[in-house]
Parts: sequence; structure tokens; C-alpha cells
Amino acid sequence: DTGVSQNPRHKITKRGQNVTFRCDPISEHNRLYWYRQTLGQGPEFLTYFQNEAQLEKSRLLSDRFSAERPKGSFSTLEIQRTEQGDSAMYLCASSRLIDSANYGYTFGSGTRLTVV
Amino acid sequence: ILNVEQSPQSLHVQEGDSTNFTCSFPSSNFYALHWYRWETAKSPEALFVMTLNGDEKKKGRISATLNTKEGYSYLYIKGSQPEDSATYLCAFNTNAGKSTFGDGTTLTVKP
Repeated sequence: DTGVSQNPRHKITKRGQNVTFRCDPISEHNRLYWYRQTLGQGPEFLTYFQNEAQLEKSRLLSDRFSAERPKGSFSTLEIQRTEQGDSAMYLCASSRLIDSANYGYTFGSGTRLTVV
Repeated sequence: ILNVEQSPQSLHVQEGDSTNFTCSFPSSNFYALHWYRWETAKSPEALFVMTLNGDEKKKGRISATLNTKEGYSYLYIKGSQPEDSATYLCAFNTNAGKSTFGDGTTLTVKP
């Protein structure tokens, strides 16, 4: 297993366009998390899944954001009608349910989104 | 909204200096505290997971302590090396679900 994989690494898009990011977690991890990080800030929670079920979504997240995890494997995060304020690093992490408080998250390298 | 604060925001030390950072978190509903190291252009990497009041963890020159009653954790680095330069994040959990992160302490170790 090569760890948590995120694609693309970088994305530049024009304001108003839709973008989709993909995360492939560690195969035996049933928890998958999305966070957003901007310069000088810590990662901010967006949403998380246990298998294919989306258990929690941040109230800070507008309706333009949607995430899926079909079949409990990879996950996609879509942002519709992007705005300049969406520019950030989008981090994906995974963990095992039983161990989520024991070993912490395994993070991917992130997708850096720039909205111009 | 949970308030997780880290101090200082940034730190510059000379190689060989020892240093420490603080993470403050709510003293109620504690489940676990995680420390991560995030080097530039890499993924955040888990350093320690702390669950019990009074916990002390150590990995090489890095160690951490935990006080859940007063809501703080310290991270210590003994004899800092340039390769220790990174942003150190703490993350607070009230259950086995999501983590709430602080804004991090960015450490720069000068040779």
C-alpha cells in the first residue's frame, strides 16, 4: 500500500468553474476525512465518511461543496461555481475506526486549488 | 466551535537549542490529542497520540506531555537539528471522529 493518494496535486481554475478532486485512502482504512487549509491556518474540517456513509459535514461548508465515497473506497470532493475564496490546500486523510484515536490520521499530499 | 490554540506561532532557534511549544484545548469532553509534523511539500505525519491525563510520549529527541484537566499539551525538542524544521500541529478530539486542529507552530532551525 502506497499510502493516501490525492489527485490532482495542483489545480488552477477560473472563477465560476466546477472542480473535482479525488482521494484514494489506505485500503484497510474505513474512515476518510476531507480538510481545507489556507496559509497560516490549521486544517479546517470539511466532512468525513465511515465506509460509504457521510457521517458529518461542516456547517461552514456551503451547498457548492459535495463529497461522495461510493462503495466505501475512493472519495471525490466537488466544488461547484468556484470562488476566489475557495483557493486553498484540500487535504484528505484516512484512518481505521478502532484505531482513529490511537494512531491518528494518515494524510495525503493534498490538492492545491487556485481560483483565478 | 472548539478552540484549539498553539503558541508560539513561529520559532527560530539555533542548531543544538532545545525548544518547546504549547497546545491549549478545552478541558471538557476530552478524548484524544494528536501531534503532527508537517514538513514543506510533504504530508502531515503523526508524531504522537495521547489519550490519558499525565501521558508522556517520546520519539527520539521529541517528547510530549498532556494535562487534560487544565487543557494543555507541551511538545519538546531536545537539541534541535535543521531537519526538525517544520510546522507542528496539534489536533483535539472529543470522540473517535473528526479532529479539530490548531494553527500550528512553525519551527525553523538554523545551522
